[in-house]
Amino acid sequence: QQQVKQSPQSLIVQKGGISIINCAYENTAFDYFPWYQQFPGKGPALLIAIRPDVSEKKEGRFTISFNKSAKQFSLHIMDSQPGDSATYFCAATGSGTYKYIFGTGTRLKVLA
Amino acid sequence: GAVVSQHPSRVICKSGTSVKIECRSLDFQATTMFWYRQFPKKSLMLMATSNEGSKATYEQGVEKDKFLINHASLTLSTLTVTSAHPEDSSFYICSGAPRANTEAFFGQGTRLTVV
Repeated sequence: QQQVKQSPQSLIVQKGGISIINCAYENTAFDYFPWYQQFPGKGPALLIAIRPDVSEKKEGRFTISFNKSAKQFSLHIMDSQPGDSATYFCAATGSGTYKYIFGTGTRLKVLA
Repeated sequence: GAVVSQHPSRVICKSGTSVKIECRSLDFQATTMFWYRQFPKKSLMLMATSNEGSKATYEQGVEKDKFLINHASLTLSTLTVTSAHPEDSSFYICSGAPRANTEAFFGQGTRLTVV
């Protein structure tokens, strides 16, 4: 119940294309869903996050879509750029805890 | 956003020695901080939860005597890898959050190489 399943494991997208990464969770107590971006040799950095009271959140080229009934959420990167090439992690937390459950990560490569 | 500073970013040590990694929350107080280990091309593996003023909580399979955690103040947690061996070589990352159930901020990570 504590797992967050992330797919795909890796993704190659042409410059200007849309990158889509999906996550699914089981624990209905989760109520905060962030996405993190990690470059090699660096710590993860918060990209965008959503709570279950909204179905979509957009910040620049990054959008989270959230489906509460299906217990799924996804990250969409519009107009993908080579600089977006990184590993992306979804995560979930809730119930007044500081503890995060991370997905397994998606290695995105955007071709120039 | 809030800042978590981790030091050192890289360290090389000899087998059998101990290494201390510091994690500081620069602009918020962190009663709880987390230590992760990350293997190449893998996700973050939670090692332990560092609690200010009390003992750390270790995840199953993590040796508490090998990975000593101290959280003596609201802005500093340390991880000491004792009697390090080559298999301890890894990328270690800490994180903290100003409040529960909200965004966590990560340190820059520490690349430990044991030779």
